[in-house]
Amino acid sequence: AQTVTQSQPEMSVQEAETVTLSCTYDTSESDYYLFWYKQPPSRQMILVIRQEAYKQQNATENRFSVNFQKAAKSFSLKISDSQLGDAAMYFCAYRSGDKLIFGTGTRLQVFP
Amino acid sequence: DSGVTQTPKHLITATGQRVTLRCSPRSGDLSVYWYQQSLDQGLQFLIQYYNGEERAKGNILERFSAQQFPDLHSELNLSSLELGDSALYFCASSAGQDYPGETQYFGPGTRLLVL
Repeated sequence: AQTVTQSQPEMSVQEAETVTLSCTYDTSESDYYLFWYKQPPSRQMILVIRQEAYKQQNATENRFSVNFQKAAKSFSLKISDSQLGDAAMYFCAYRSGDKLIFGTGTRLQVFP
Repeated sequence: DSGVTQTPKHLITATGQRVTLRCSPRSGDLSVYWYQQSLDQGLQFLIQYYNGEERAKGNILERFSAQQFPDLHSELNLSSLELGDSALYFCASSAGQDYPGETQYFGPGTRLLVL
């Protein structure tokens, strides 16, 4: 069965600095998708970034980028120039077929 | 605002009761997904419907059932409620192009408290 592991329950970063959130996954599939979702205090789940497993190029979305290491089954999220609004729970997720499997989340605090 | 609406926002009920959670997907989206977020189980996929038909099942209990209606809104029915069913229930929708990378848009969730 596929699993997603986020080993950092909490992280903190100073405003304008860079932080990296870790995620590893386990799968025997070769074709899948990986996602990072943000859940602010409002509880709304917001898609941050998506990576297709067949693409070697790391996905980027403005200040958010990923480091996708397929062989190591690692998918970390880098947030550059951190802002106070980035404070939230971040969930790594894996999808192959119909199911979306989430990690346990990392709570990110941003200090001014 | 994702365009997905869920009602009610909050629900407080007693053990043994039955409740219905409602979800309206984004306009034009054919797929609806239900998720449960609880403190001990994290975020779990429950079930997916596509254009009225059940497409995939996750960790959904037999006490729970769902359906998607012809107007594409969906309802999640939870019966014989237990304390452990207290959670945030999310609905998400997607266009239904049937490709795993398709973006799912999440609603604001329904917070269920079972006393």
